Amino acid sequence: GIQVEQSPPDLILQEGANSTLRCNFSDSVNNLQWFHQNPWGQLINLFYSPSGTKQNGRLSATTVATERYSLLYISSSQTTDSGVYFCAVQGGRDDKIIFGKGTRLHILP
Amino acid sequence: KAGVTQTPRYLIKTRGQQVTLSCSPISGHRSVSWYQQTPGQGLQFLFEYFSETQRNKGNFPGRFSGRQFSNSRSEMNVSTLELGDSALYLCASSVSLNTEAFFGQGTRLTVV
Repeated sequence: GIQVEQSPPDLILQEGANSTLRCNFSDSVNNLQWFHQNPWGQLINLFYSPSGTKQNGRLSATTVATERYSLLYISSSQTTDSGVYFCAVQGGRDDKIIFGKGTRLHILP
Repeated sequence: KAGVTQTPRYLIKTRGQQVTLSCSPISGHRSVSWYQQTPGQGLQFLFEYFSETQRNKGNFPGRFSGRQFSNSRSEMNVSTLELGDSALYLCASSVSLNTEAFFGQGTRLTVV
């Protein structure tokens, strides 16, 4: 099945800094989403982005399907951005939904 | 519009028992998928259902089973519980296959 790798695994930044999170995948995908997991465990939708660029306020996501990667940009980070960010893809031969291991983001005040 | 609802939110069971978790999708959504999240293994795919049919299954033992009803609500069952089944179980719904998925708040299962 598809392999999904997220980097970096951990990221510590000062409030106001910008960050880029990366998601690499090993096969063509039909579906790619970015999520933020809140402290209570719920996965919050950020972007549905199987290709192209999407923007929502300080966040944007760019997926280059032909090169098998997606980037999540967070600008002017706030402490409330802290948490774990997951990339999830669906595709490949078995079409299973595969999550990366996540990037844990710490924004310091 | 109500979101994805999972019940119960918390559950404590003893080894050897069985458990049934429930997921009510967003109205109009016909696809439901289930995931297990543990600190060691991360988020792992369990099943995907569409129109009452299991479309895909993850690499879990046969003790894990599920079903989807005609109203798109889904249940998953774990029989003969083991300590390692302690996890957060998440359910997601989507309009159809390969479309944006929306997650519930999860059921936190503790096996003692």
